[in-house]
Amino acid sequence: EAQVTQNPRYLITVTGKKLTVTCSQNMNHEYMSWYRQDPGLGLRQIYYSMNVEVTDKGDVPEGYKVSRKEKRNFPLILESPSPNQTSLYFCASSPTSEYEQYFGPGTRLTVT
Amino acid sequence: GENVEQHPSTLSVQEGDSAVIKCTYSDSASNYFPWYKQELGKRPQLIIDIRSNVGEKKDQRIAVTLNKTAKHFSLHITETQPEDSAVYFCAASVGTGGFKTIFGAGTRLFVKA
Repeated sequence: EAQVTQNPRYLITVTGKKLTVTCSQNMNHEYMSWYRQDPGLGLRQIYYSMNVEVTDKGDVPEGYKVSRKEKRNFPLILESPSPNQTSLYFCASSPTSEYEQYFGPGTRLTVT
Repeated sequence: GENVEQHPSTLSVQEGDSAVIKCTYSDSASNYFPWYKQELGKRPQLIIDIRSNVGEKKDQRIAVTLNKTAKHFSLHITETQPEDSAVYFCAASVGTGGFKTIFGAGTRLFVKA
């Protein structure tokens, strides 16, 4: 089954404790992206990747890191999480840019 | 910077009526305009998209129109049904190569039976 998976689905952590949210797709898509969703603000792009080892900043990259060492995986790293990073995070992939994006199930992160 | 504005933020219609959601974008180089539907507790899913070389596209009860001159695009849902109740997001590709995606803030659609 073609899908985008994310782990964990729910995470409660404390300020400053490094964490990684994993994202994996099995559709051989070149383009992958991370978004955060906050009430009233829609989906805001954090980082995107056009292919392996090619990443770039979206609209809200501060406090986040990403890597793309393999085509299927695109982890999101929070080196020192802060309460303002409490949000619902979605990973997405698509064959290329300017094409339908397939979203993962979401990760609800709470930073206390 | 680039932005996408979406209106209204909330829309309530009677079953069977039409619903229209409007978006404007700022980047004149934008070429791709998708619409996503997000049901409560679910992930966003594409319902229709349009590219800059097309003025209108229709898929059953859903249609999208694009006015590149005015930098404006709209979603039209006819004969609305209760299962159309959801949050709808417009988006636009921006920047060189269209690698970035900017989403509107969303429209919560209520269809009353």
